[in-house]
Amino acid sequence: GQNIDQPTEMTATEGAIVQINCTYQTSGFNGLFWYQQHAGEAPTFLSYNVLDGLEEKGRFSSFLSRSKGYSYLLLKELQMKDSASYLCACLDSNYQLIWGAGTKLIIKP
Amino acid sequence: GAVVSQHPSWVICKSGTSVKIECRSLDFQATTMFWYRQFPKQSLMLMATSNEGSKATYEQGVEKDKFLINHASLTLSTLTVTSAHPEDSSFYICSVRSPHGTELYEQYFGPGTRLTVT
Repeated sequence: GQNIDQPTEMTATEGAIVQINCTYQTSGFNGLFWYQQHAGEAPTFLSYNVLDGLEEKGRFSSFLSRSKGYSYLLLKELQMKDSASYLCACLDSNYQLIWGAGTKLIIKP
Repeated sequence: GAVVSQHPSWVICKSGTSVKIECRSLDFQATTMFWYRQFPKQSLMLMATSNEGSKATYEQGVEKDKFLINHASLTLSTLTVTSAHPEDSSFYICSVRSPHGTELYEQYFGPGTRLTVT
């Protein structure tokens, strides 16, 4: 079956760094997305990885290891507005998005 | 990124009535739109894939006679929840897939519609 695992909840301090992990098992793989979703709002795109390695975009970076079925989202210089759920999603062999349950990130002052 | 609108933003209806939710792609023509449902503290669940000019493809367990999808134009898809019940209360979100190059599989989401059935 297809499965995406990520922690349910994480807590971090304003100004610090946090890493949100995602492991996946899918039938075929055509890339991995990270989305941010604030409570009561729709998800917004953060990153897309299809090749191994680190993609950096401002304070956010995303890493992929296809051989390990593993990705992480790294958030630096955390701000209060980063409090949100972070969703990991994989494109399977049919180019359908398979979603993880999301990681709720709580930022404390 | 694309701009996707949904209407209404929130709706309260009585049990047994039907509710229509509109999803519009404002930036580009979308041959494919997706309808998701999200219950509190849960992830997105794909309900159906809406294809312009043809019948929608429903995910397993989603009743096509209860959740009617019409994708009549390249910029508009509608989801009608028929004979709504309290258990249909949820956050309904549509998305469109980008038709452009390297963004080809990125999905742009509408703001969502919160449905409460009393």
